[in-house]
Amino acid sequence: QQQVKQSPQSLIVQKGGISIINCAYENTAFDYFPWYQQFPGKGPALLIAIRPDVSEKKEGRFTISFNKSAKQFSLHIMDSQPGDSATYFCAASMASNAGKSTFGDGTTLTVKP
Amino acid sequence: DSGVTQTPKHLITATGQRVTLRCSPRSGDLSVYWYQQSLDQGLQFLIQYYNGEERAKGNILERFSAQQFPDLHSELNLSSLELGDSALYFCASSSRAGLNTGELFFGEGSRLTVL
Repeated sequence: QQQVKQSPQSLIVQKGGISIINCAYENTAFDYFPWYQQFPGKGPALLIAIRPDVSEKKEGRFTISFNKSAKQFSLHIMDSQPGDSATYFCAASMASNAGKSTFGDGTTLTVKP
Repeated sequence: DSGVTQTPKHLITATGQRVTLRCSPRSGDLSVYWYQQSLDQGLQFLIQYYNGEERAKGNILERFSAQQFPDLHSELNLSSLELGDSALYFCASSSRAGLNTGELFFGEGSRLTVL
């Protein structure tokens, strides 16, 4: 049973556009929600993360929106750039062992110039 | 560069064989995690060690085992390999603080191909 569902599987956006990736989780015990960015041939790298006590977190062009009642969270990339082309993974974990994360299946983002 | 080193980067072997993947965590990080990434799949948590002790276990097969040594490097042993074991195996580490924040630093992975 997959505990974190991510959509879409792939996304194509024009340069300057907004990229939106959505995730839904099932386990209400999750209380840490990071997003990872992975370039080909590299390991995932932490991009931004949020805890359920806030509804939104922004870091530069990247924003996480969190809806606790709906058990959903999303990543918004504003002013998308070709350099943002990568695979993005959402994840969820519990404070009891926050490093043991459950990952979504990933979204391959392509930003066209 | 995350500071996590994994070797080998690529490994090709035959079914039934055994391989060992090695991971050196970031300097000072006590916790090491192993994840498996199959083709077009997300990452699946396998196992975690903290300062030499097994801390958590995920969907790790009985044919797989791991350990963390006193110098904090870790090894993942995969035996009786099957075609379906072909995947990217990632090691990640976290600091003591990261154990609670969940911030993981991933290596570049070891790509295992079983023929």
